[in-house]
Amino acid sequence: GAGVSQSPRYKVTKRGQDVALRCDPISGHVSLYWYRQALGQGPEFLTYFNYEAQQDKSGLPNDRFSAERPEGSISTLTIQRTEQRDSAMYRCASSLNEINVLTFGAGSRLTVL
Amino acid sequence: GENVEQHPSTLSVQEGDSAVIKCTYSDSASNYFPWYKQELGKGPQLIIDIRSNVGEKKDQRIAVTLNKTAKHFSLHITETQPEDSAVYFCAGVEETSGSRLTFGEGTQLTVNP
Repeated sequence: GAGVSQSPRYKVTKRGQDVALRCDPISGHVSLYWYRQALGQGPEFLTYFNYEAQQDKSGLPNDRFSAERPEGSISTLTIQRTEQRDSAMYRCASSLNEINVLTFGAGSRLTVL
Repeated sequence: GENVEQHPSTLSVQEGDSAVIKCTYSDSASNYFPWYKQELGKGPQLIIDIRSNVGEKKDQRIAVTLNKTAKHFSLHITETQPEDSAVYFCAGVEETSGSRLTFGEGTQLTVNP
């Protein structure tokens, strides 16, 4: 596609529910990144992939967070047993290769009640 | 790990004036410093970047300077226009670490007509 596409744009869920956030990167981009952005803050790194391989997941806050990119294209970030502190904007970005310009999507805003 | 601090958090200028945003970083191994512009409701978009082998880079009304010794870099916008109003983020990374960008907290720039 022309840009990085994320869905859903908005997600409201109750505490304890699982959520899945989807990212469709720019076609041909090797690297895919997940960031989390709290209101008034800069994006905070969560994890990234090269093709289907998860290269670094050190930014995932705890084991309730996981991500996959099984075919090296679309990625899903899953949060299990959501908590109110998980409420944030979750941003996906992709780049042509590992050392290159990141193109961000518009984000998925998660609200946990 | 890397820590990036950004100042000021808000900046208001008159149209036509210059705006300067400053960032400091902690990791002397960092060698790539991008600047992103985030407009309301959109994802961050790269506007300029600099690598540690140069001290200054210009692109029309935008310039970035880097002082490796002092570990700080700055964004300069000249002849500001109302459409420059946005949140600006600096970031830093050691490129071989896999492009795990560390962002500053952002500067809300308002250009008053």
